Amino acid sequence: GDSVTQMEGPVTLSEEAFLTINCTYTATGYPSLFWYVQYPGEGLQLLLKATKADDKGSNKGFEATYRKETTSFHLEKGSVQVSDSAVYFCALPSGGGADGLTFGKGTHLIIQP
Amino acid sequence: DAMVIQNPRYQVTQFGKPVTLSCSQTLNHNVMYWYQQKSSQAPKLLFHYYDKDFNNEADTPDNFQSRRPNTSFCFLDIRSPGLGDAAMYLCATSLGRLAGPQETQYFGPGTRLLVL
Repeated sequence: GDSVTQMEGPVTLSEEAFLTINCTYTATGYPSLFWYVQYPGEGLQLLLKATKADDKGSNKGFEATYRKETTSFHLEKGSVQVSDSAVYFCALPSGGGADGLTFGKGTHLIIQP
Repeated sequence: DAMVIQNPRYQVTQFGKPVTLSCSQTLNHNVMYWYQQKSSQAPKLLFHYYDKDFNNEADTPDNFQSRRPNTSFCFLDIRSPGLGDAAMYLCATSLGRLAGPQETQYFGPGTRLLVL
């Protein structure tokens, strides 16, 4: 079935550092790809999405480009802030219709002042 | 603001005592989902409703049931909670099937269940 692999954390960075969280996927066809963020004790919030190859999703300074050649959807941000500390999940539709999302294991990001 | 609402945010129950978690949505979405998320793990889909059609994941225990009395509300019933059922339960919605390129899933804040 369709699956997502993302780098596992925790990832610890200093404020204003450059961030990359790697995500690769295995899928039939070209599904939409998503990044969700989960702050401590909260539900998941959609951070950004891309619906087709070469699309770039962006939000709150975060970006991710849908790369079908490398089956990747890496999350990047040029200058992280302490408030970006959270768990980040890469996801894609599970397939077969309305079957929910398949998530990566999540990457815990810690930004130190 | 249109949103997905979950009540309560924290629920404490006793081992074996039935518990119901609630979800409501003002998005008028057709599809509602329930996920279970255990500590430091990814969310795992339990089941979903497409309108009134119920779809159970193959590995969802029989102990977990769901009801959707109308478009806006969906309930998760745990008939006999065990210690292993302690988790965050996330409700989510989407307008249609996620295979569509314009589709997105929206999550509620979650209910954290503690089983004593």
